[in-house]
Amino acid sequence: EDQVTQSPEALRLQEGESSSLNCSYTVSGLRGLFWYRQDPGKGPEFLFTLYSAGEEKEKERLKATLTKKESFLHITAPKPEDSATYLCAVIRGSQGNLIFGKGTKLSVKP
Amino acid sequence: DGGITQSPKYLFRKEGQNVTLSCEQNLNHDAMYWYRQDPGQGLRLIYYSQIVNDFQKGDIAEGYSVSREKKESFPLTVTSAQQNPTAFYLCASSIDFGRGTGVSGANVLTFGAGSRLTVL
Repeated sequence: EDQVTQSPEALRLQEGESSSLNCSYTVSGLRGLFWYRQDPGKGPEFLFTLYSAGEEKEKERLKATLTKKESFLHITAPKPEDSATYLCAVIRGSQGNLIFGKGTKLSVKP
Repeated sequence: DGGITQSPKYLFRKEGQNVTLSCEQNLNHDAMYWYRQDPGQGLRLIYYSQIVNDFQKGDIAEGYSVSREKKESFPLTVTSAQQNPTAFYLCASSIDFGRGTGVSGANVLTFGAGSRLTVL
């Protein structure tokens, strides 16, 4: 069964304290892994797509990496405005739609 | 600006009533989706449509219905058969369903702002 597990469920950081969020997945033949950011009461906003192991993408203080079993979202020197829930999703093997993890709620304190 | 418009943003329903959530997109996307989000849960797929006049059930379709008569529109009806409808509903679209079309990013989802439904 296709599955996406994100950890930790919640993460509290001080401003400037770098850390990583984890997304482990089980899917037959990965065809794409996605990271989204969601602010409270709003729809998710697309961040990155990764397609193959070893691939990396960066955007400002965020860097996403991918291995054959998991993806990491590295946050370097975070700021309070990085506070949000970060969602990971993969393309479901037997179909074509996405299956989402439960998300990691990140809080960055000044 | 292109995007997805969901309405209403907040909706209250009495038990036994059907309600319809609107979703309109001007991105010229072929595929559209409805997700449900509950606290502490990931997004769960209700229905999806790959093309006009076609749609498929997702993981939690019971108690919901959809139509896709126009490319731009994908309304969701929450029927009285849905036992626990209080949730945050998200509509999304993508260029296509990503079945190896070769278009980079074809299956990247663009989401609307969501509709919050509360049962009184």
